[in-house]
Amino acid sequence: EVQLVESGGGLVKPGGSLRLSCAASGFTFSSYSMNWVRQAPGKGLEWVSSISSSSSYIYYADSVKGRFTISRDNAKNSLYLQMNSLRAEDTAVYYCASYDILTGWGDWGQGTLVTVSS
Amino acid sequence: EIVLTQSPGTLSLSPGERATLSCRASQSVSSSYLAWYQQKPGQAPRLLIYGASSRATGIPDRFSGSGSGTDFTLTISRLEPEDFAVYYCQQALTFGGGTKVEIK
Repeated sequence: EVQLVESGGGLVKPGGSLRLSCAASGFTFSSYSMNWVRQAPGKGLEWVSSISSSSSYIYYADSVKGRFTISRDNAKNSLYLQMNSLRAEDTAVYYCASYDILTGWGDWGQGTLVTVSS
Repeated sequence: EIVLTQSPGTLSLSPGERATLSCRASQSVSSSYLAWYQQKPGQAPRLLIYGASSRATGIPDRFSGSGSGTDFTLTISRLEPEDFAVYYCQQALTFGGGTKVEIK
């Protein structure tokens, strides 16, 4: 069974940093591109960042470019999102999701809540 | 930048009725990357449809997707109580704003 489990969320002050993790199991993690998607309270889904299977290709939404860094450790079956210079508008539930070239974004974690507030 | 506009914002229907949800792209998009998701409160999105018309694993056949170019549709043939939720379309890295299907 595929499992994606996010962790690392919490309350942080504006300007602070946080590192999110996503632990993957039940599939060959090293073969899949991975993504971070966020959802502000009561709002829709917003793509944040993507990383290819070997980390060769990395993409960011304009809203987080220069502040967030996506990475992965295929030996540890883990995906990360380093978030710096956090702003109130970064407050959201952050989901990790895997990407299958044939079937798309089929597996999602349960999400981790990041709250940026003083 | 592609913008996906979903309509209506809210759909009020009764169990057993047919639901038709629309997703319109600001420019022609590839059907290969058009997906639909269902999200219930407090839960992660669940993939329903990929490639505009292919059902994901385990999705009941009352859910169907169609369309091409700029206009795509998700149809739920007969609403079950568990289908009342928010539905999002996605094209590559862009999500639509969502349609809430609520009980009338």
